Amino acid sequence: GAVVSQHPSRVICKSGTSVKIECRSLDFQATTMFWYRQFPKQSLMLMATSNEGSKATYEQGVEKDKFLINHASLTLSTLTVTSAHPEDSSFYICSARGTSGGATDTQYFGPGTRLTVL
Amino acid sequence: KQEVTQIPAALSVPEGENLVLNCSFTDSAIYNLQWFRQDPGKGLTSLLLIQSSQREQTSGRLNASLDKSSGRSTLYIAASQPGDSATYLCAVSSNYQLIWGAGTKLIIKP
Repeated sequence: GAVVSQHPSRVICKSGTSVKIECRSLDFQATTMFWYRQFPKQSLMLMATSNEGSKATYEQGVEKDKFLINHASLTLSTLTVTSAHPEDSSFYICSARGTSGGATDTQYFGPGTRLTVL
Repeated sequence: KQEVTQIPAALSVPEGENLVLNCSFTDSAIYNLQWFRQDPGKGLTSLLLIQSSQREQTSGRLNASLDKSSGRSTLYIAASQPGDSATYLCAVSSNYQLIWGAGTKLIIKP
């Protein structure tokens, strides 16, 4: 089946630094990727939807200048948390929607990245 | 290595029926278990989250149970409606990662 990977799986950084999280579709092409965030003991929340080659669409309340999303190719999307602060500590999950090879219109989810900002 | 299995892969029932979706996992050392709904062309919707110390969670017509010792969770949907048609995913939080089931595609026939 289709596989989505995320890197890194865990990251600890100092306040004020920027952190980049990668999301890759390993065996299929994904025109659309979704980024989610989950705080401890809370449900998953959609942050933004990104389409390859165009600007991401952010959900209400998500700062686009703080969470930079780049979807430069059909297999890679990146989320950069700029000037991270402790309140950005969360679990970030991406998903990718395929375009062909049996993956059309089905979302496949990555294992997540746990970010801790000190 | 944690593995999550969902049975059945697809289910079609008449409107109004009560139904149960199953999710099993191989390692009982989990942080929590979640049920999600996935509609075609849309993002994921979180339905219920059960912490490892809890036995069940309820939201409206949905009830999810968790039995860690047997490695099972069920999602009970009461009085099903055509709008419940979607793919339902369970995911286990284990070892700082989410391990996903393959999903159950549910079709509710009017």
